[in-house]
Amino acid sequence: GAGVSQSPSNKVTEKGKDVELRCDPISGHTALYWYRQSLGQGLEFLIYFQGNSAPDKSGLPSDRFSAERTGGSVSTLTIQRTQQEDSAVYLCASSSTVSNTQYFGPGTRLTVL
Amino acid sequence: DQQVKQNSPSLSVQEGRISILNCDYTNSMFDYFLWYKKYPAEGPTFLISISSIKDKNEDGRFTVFLNKSAKHLSLHIVPSQPGDSAVYFCAAPRFTSGTYKYIFGTGTRLKVLA
Repeated sequence: GAGVSQSPSNKVTEKGKDVELRCDPISGHTALYWYRQSLGQGLEFLIYFQGNSAPDKSGLPSDRFSAERTGGSVSTLTIQRTQQEDSAVYLCASSSTVSNTQYFGPGTRLTVL
Repeated sequence: DQQVKQNSPSLSVQEGRISILNCDYTNSMFDYFLWYKKYPAEGPTFLISISSIKDKNEDGRFTVFLNKSAKHLSLHIVPSQPGDSAVYFCAAPRFTSGTYKYIFGTGTRLKVLA
């Protein structure tokens, strides 16, 4: 079946603009994660959705970052008033409740000029 | 709070030799520890896991060892192949405030020299 997909694959934006990044998880996976990987850094946890539970937003770096997951499937990560330090690869992953193995999408490379 | 550290940012190994990647964590949990592999411009892919009730798990050329007393994981690749060149992340579980997630290390970039 299809894996996790993310769009766009690349996004270049100007400082101060808002961006939306999309994630389509594997069908049936109840858990969805957003991470980012800045240049030379590891995977930084951002936010986690599990079923109908309130999301774990503990990794969001500032209130400019938000995410939602509609209908328990597609998720959108929104970054408002982007800053140059937001430049990174944003990765989405999903997992089932049976296996906690996370399946990652290819990522969205965000460049803020 | 769970912290995961991979203290070697990079490692170079000759083809055919053993690669050993290390990972340290702070909080013990009865669960699985994971290793992921990441090629450039791709998302990480699951490689191998180990249950916290075991001390070794082997899958082909890949073996993961868990030393619970030292809170240390290691991934052994033998023999190493040029296609193994990638960034390897370890991940440890964290359960806080009713939510469960994995915390990833900063990764080790492995280069296998032909």
